[in-house]
Amino acid sequence: EVQLVESGGGLGQPGGSLRLSCEASGFTFSSYPMNWVRQAPGKGLEWVSYISSRSSDIDYAESVKGRFTISRDNAKNLLYLQMNRLRAEDTAVYYCARLIRNRSGSLYYYYMDVWGKGTTVTVSS
Amino acid sequence: DIQMTQSPSSLSASVGDRVTITCRASQSISTYLNWYQQRSGEAPKVLIYAASSLQSGVPLRFSGSGSGTDFTLTISSLQPEDFATYYCQQTYSTPSITFGQGTRLEIK
Repeated sequence: EVQLVESGGGLGQPGGSLRLSCEASGFTFSSYPMNWVRQAPGKGLEWVSYISSRSSDIDYAESVKGRFTISRDNAKNLLYLQMNRLRAEDTAVYYCARLIRNRSGSLYYYYMDVWGKGTTVTVSS
Repeated sequence: DIQMTQSPSSLSASVGDRVTITCRASQSISTYLNWYQQRSGEAPKVLIYAASSLQSGVPLRFSGSGSGTDFTLTISSLQPEDFATYYCQQTYSTPSITFGQGTRLEIK
C-alpha cells in the first residue's frame, strides 16, 4: 500500500525549533518530488516547500523562507522539514504529499496524488 | 506569485443538485490546474488534474473545465459524501505552487 506517515509535531516555543519527518512506503520514494503543505486551524491549504527527487531543486513559500529547511534521505525513505525560529502563525497541521507527473500529449502535468494524514504543530509559550 | 481566487467561498446545496465552483488565476496558467476535495478531519484528495482529467477512482459526476485564467469544477448530482471543502491548485509555476482559498460545500 502506498503510504506517507508524518511525525514530529507537537508544542514548540516561539523562536524555537521542531523537526518533522515523513516516512514513505509502498513506492519508490527516490523517484518522486515531495512537498510539505500546511493548514492552520479553520483555514485553507498553504504550500510550504518542495524538494526534487534527488534534492537538486528546492523551493519555499515566502512565509517560511530562511526559517524552514526541507531535506530527504532516499536510502531511508524519509522526508524532513526542519522548522526554526518558530512563530505563532506556523501553528497548523503539516502534510507531506507526493508530487506526480503525468504526460498529456507533449505536456507534463503535476499534482499531489498521495498525502499523509498530517502532524499537528502548535507554537505557543 | 500567481494568486488563485475561488468563488463562492461557501455554498449550500441539496443531494441531487448540480453544483459549480469557479477558480480564477491572476495570470494565465494554461491548463495547469488541479482540484482537491477535503472532507472534515481528512487529508486532501485529488479529483481533477490538468483542468479536466479525472483522477483514477474518482466518480464520473465530477468534471472540470477551463484554461487560461478561468476554471470550473462541476458536480453533476450531489451525493451525501460530496459535502466537503474543495480547493483549486495551480502548478504552472512548479515548484512554487498555490492553492485557492477553498469552497465549503454544505448541506441545505
